[in-house]
This record gives sequence, C-alpha cells and structure tokens, in this order.
Amino acid sequence: DADVTQTPRNRITKTGKRIMLECSQTKGHDRMYWYRQDPGLGLRLIYYSFDVKDINKGEISDGYSVSRQAQAKFSLSLESAIPNQTALYFCATSDLWTGKPDEQFFGPGTRLTVL
Amino acid sequence: RKEVEQDPGPFNVPEGATVAFNCTYSNSASQSFFWYRQDCRKEPKLLMSVYSSGNEDGRFTAQLNRASQYISLLIRDSKLSDSATYLCVVNKRTDRGSTLGRLYFGRGTQLTVWP
Repeated sequence: DADVTQTPRNRITKTGKRIMLECSQTKGHDRMYWYRQDPGLGLRLIYYSFDVKDINKGEISDGYSVSRQAQAKFSLSLESAIPNQTALYFCATSDLWTGKPDEQFFGPGTRLTVL
Repeated sequence: RKEVEQDPGPFNVPEGATVAFNCTYSNSASQSFFWYRQDCRKEPKLLMSVYSSGNEDGRFTAQLNRASQYISLLIRDSKLSDSATYLCVVNKRTDRGSTLGRLYFGRGTQLTVWP
C-alpha cells in the first residue's frame, strides 16, 4: 500500500462549488504539505502543517483552507472553486525526527478541473 | 528573482550519453538541497540529496557550490528509463535560523533519452 494517499485522484467540478481534497499517510511523519502544480510554473506551496496544532500559509493560500484532523490526515478545501484553481494538487510529508526534515515524500496527486 | 532557477531544456540525448543539469538558488542561507525526479503526470520522487562535498549514487552525481549558489546533476550512461523531468529543490530556513524550513522547487528540466 502507498505511504501517502490522496482522494479523489481526479475531480471535475463547477465554479462556485465547495470541494475537499484529502490526504492520508501511514509514514508516521509529523509534517504535511499541500502543493499545486501548473504547467510551466512548477510546484507552489499552498499550506503546511508541522503538527496537528500548527497550520501555516504558503505562497498561494488565498482561496484555500486546510484542516489537520490527525497526525495522519491533512485536508485541503476550496470554499468556492474558480477555473484558475484547475491544477494538479499534491500532498507531501516529511519528518523532523528522522534527522532529514526537508526530505519530502509525495502522494500520487489529485487532478482538479473547475469548469 | 526566483528562489530556484533551472535550465529548462528539453534535453534529448541517445542512450549511453552523459548529460548534466544546472541549477542556481538565490538564498545564501539555504541548507538543504535535493534533486527530485518527476515522470509525466506523476508525483515528484526524491532522487538524491546534495551534500557539500558532492555525492554519487550509481550513475548519478550531484555537486554543490555554495560560493556560487549552484547545484548540478550529472547522469552517466543514460538509460531510456531516465526520461523524466528533474526538479532542483532548495530549502529556506526561517529568519530566526530555526530548522523549520520550506522547500522551493525549480520548474524542472525535461530529459528524453532515445534509443
């Protein structure tokens, strides 16, 4: 089984709809991240969490919110989706206690299309 | 100026060739450096960390030049399976110098190895 899973893997939605992307991990890592990837722009950080009580905005948090329900779960919500949020979304994890807190491991991604 | 800049390519090389990718980063306080590999429409996967003294993993060699803020990846004896996009990744410590860093991803260099 994959260490980092994301659901759904693909989603098509309409402008104005609320949508939630979910991420779960079995690696036991304390840190979790949400990124989006657009063609030609590379990966950009949306939100990150270093433990259950810690949530931080990334480069492009406007229009997004997150919830760290447990150490293993980190959800990303689009309260009112708009077409320019069409992108590939990745969840990632890392762990301070491995001694390599910057080595991140990615989920398979969610391809989101907003019409 | 972008945090991480990469030669975008694409690089098209025959099997067996040696190919090198370059990357520069803007933050002199960065402490961790990585190369990730990303196959089309898949998640990024850690290829190797880059250490100050340079390091090698099989056919892959990574070099770091802190004075020039420059990172390189050399692939020897290219295989068809090496075809992918290679992402240069750099961390940025917080202003207080804590270990709580974030990663900045380059846009990637595309490599195609042909038979």
